[in-house]
Parts: sequence; structure tokens; C-alpha cells
Amino acid sequence: GNSVTQMEGPVTLSEEAFLTINCTYTATGYPSLFWYVQYPGEGLQLLLKATKADDKGSNKGFEATYRKETTSFHLEKGSVQVSDSAVYFCAPSHNNAGNMLTFGGGTRLMVKP
Amino acid sequence: DAGITQSPRYKITETGRQVTLMCHQTWSHSYMFWYRQDLGHGLRLIYYSAAADITDKGEVPDGYVVSRSKTENFPLTLESATRSQTSVYFCASSAAGGQPQHFGDGTRLSIL
Repeated sequence: GNSVTQMEGPVTLSEEAFLTINCTYTATGYPSLFWYVQYPGEGLQLLLKATKADDKGSNKGFEATYRKETTSFHLEKGSVQVSDSAVYFCAPSHNNAGNMLTFGGGTRLMVKP
Repeated sequence: DAGITQSPRYKITETGRQVTLMCHQTWSHSYMFWYRQDLGHGLRLIYYSAAADITDKGEVPDGYVVSRSKTENFPLTLESATRSQTSVYFCASSAAGGQPQHFGDGTRLSIL
């Protein structure tokens, strides 16, 4: 089955710093790749997605590129804000098995003013 | 309002009791999912459903029962609750394979 490795947190940055959260995965076939964000006390929200190799997903200043050759989907943002403080989850999908997602353990981001 | 709703938001019960968590979505999505979220384990899939009357086990199904008689509802039942089932439970739905899952706000369940 699929598996996901995310960098462990917490990641603590100052406002306007550059963010990278690494994600690598193992999967059979060609999964779609997702990043979800969870704000305190809330459910997960889709942040961005990519469905095929070399696709770049982007939303709210965040970007991630589907790298098939390195099986990676690293999340980046050029200038973080305090409001970006949350937990971020990388998740490949099983396109041939009920559309299930396999979640990484999550990376907590804390942005200080 | 359109979306996915979970109830209750918070529940405290005792070991051995039966408890049912409700999930309702208004998009007519085919797929629905139940996850539990625990510190140190991320989100783990309990059960999922590809359509009404079709359910299948996920990673951690023991101690849980699901049903899906209608497309929009996917209740999760703990038949005899144990302390190890104390967790935050999330329901999600998606339209089709490769499509994003949409999550509810979760149910925080404490079993004393």
C-alpha cells in the first residue's frame, strides 16, 4: 500500500520567512497528490493538489510540484504569515482502491510575528 | 447549507456503552470515509464506502461498525466503547477517484 514520510515538526519560522515542508511517498501506479491544512479545532481543508507528473498545485501562495522521479511533493511558500500557523498533511490517493488517502503524520507550522 | 456535517461535536461516554457518530453530506458524493486522529498517528482510515450499501474496511476497523443505507449518511457505531477509542473522529466525502476529500469539523469522543 501507499506510505508517506513528512518532515517532523514543529517547524517554527518568523513572519515573511521561506517555508519548505518535505513530503516523500511510496505508491503503486500514479496517485493524485494532495496537501491538506488543519487549523486549530477544525477539520482538514484541501490546500492544493496535483494529478500527474510535473503538475504544480498552488493556492494561497503555497506551491507543490509532483515529482514522479523522486516520488516527492514538497510544500513551499515564499513568505509565511502568522495566519499560516497550522498542521499540514501530505496525502497521496489510491486511484484504484476506493479513492482512499494515505496521510502523513502531519507537520505543525508555527509562525511568529 | 451545502457541506458535510458531523454530530455530535463532543461526546463523553463510559466504557462498554454503544455510541453512534453521525455524518451527513449534501453533495451526493459517492465516497464517504471515517478517520480517527490521534497524537503520534496522524489520521488513520477506519472504514470507507464507495456507494450506498457498499462499505469496506480501512486500516483500523476493529471495534467499529458502519452502514450506508442512504448516499448522504454514513454513521459510525462503536458497539462497546473502550478507552483506546478516545479520539477525534473525522468524516469525509469525495465525488470520485482522484478527487479531493472534503472533511467535516470532527467529533471529539472521550471514553471514561
